[in-house]
Amino acid sequence: TQLLEQSPQFLSIQEGENLTVYCNSSSVFSSLQWYRQEPGEGPVLLVTVVTGGEVKKLKRLTFQFGDARKDSSLHITAAQPGDTGLYLCAANSGAGSYQLTFGKGTKLSVIP
Amino acid sequence: ETGVTQTPRHLVMGMTNKKSLKCEQHLGHNAMYWYKQSAKKPLELMFVYSLEERVENNSVPSRFSPECPNSSHLFLHLHTLQPEDSALYLCASSQDPPSWDGPLYEQYFGPGTRLTVT
Repeated sequence: TQLLEQSPQFLSIQEGENLTVYCNSSSVFSSLQWYRQEPGEGPVLLVTVVTGGEVKKLKRLTFQFGDARKDSSLHITAAQPGDTGLYLCAANSGAGSYQLTFGKGTKLSVIP
Repeated sequence: ETGVTQTPRHLVMGMTNKKSLKCEQHLGHNAMYWYKQSAKKPLELMFVYSLEERVENNSVPSRFSPECPNSSHLFLHLHTLQPEDSALYLCASSQDPPSWDGPLYEQYFGPGTRLTVT
């Protein structure tokens, strides 16, 4: 069974601070996705990374896929209360697979 | 309507009731999914359909019965549920996964149905 370990599990920071959350595995993935989920809602796709070493930016969010395609990080600069939510990483096992493996998520609270 | 919609958003049912969850996708995708999200557990894939045919069934109890009448609609029929089945049930859709590494494969989720079994 392929596992995705996310850390930290919980994170509470002040508005304006920077933070990084991690998604790690011992398996190689063909692609990896980051989602943000607010309470009582479904996950919203933020980004998909497919190439080892790839860096993608979405406003104040920077996503990186590890060179070996086994891990990823999400860095948020100058966090805002609107960034509060559960951040989930998910990875596809390989060509032709419908299965996405999800991590348990990092619950982020940004305090005004 | 855009994206993936789910109804109802909230459902409370007794253990002897029969109810159905509905999902509709407006993205032109071929594949649809049911997931279960419980507290402190990763998202659990329940069922996958591609072009109305079931392609995966991950050892889900028979009290959950999926139905996919066409590629835009997906139902989850519920009967004689247990309290431990209380959870957020999420529907998702995607194109079929590529047969080779490289192209994007992305799943898009609906807002979910919060189910409480009493």
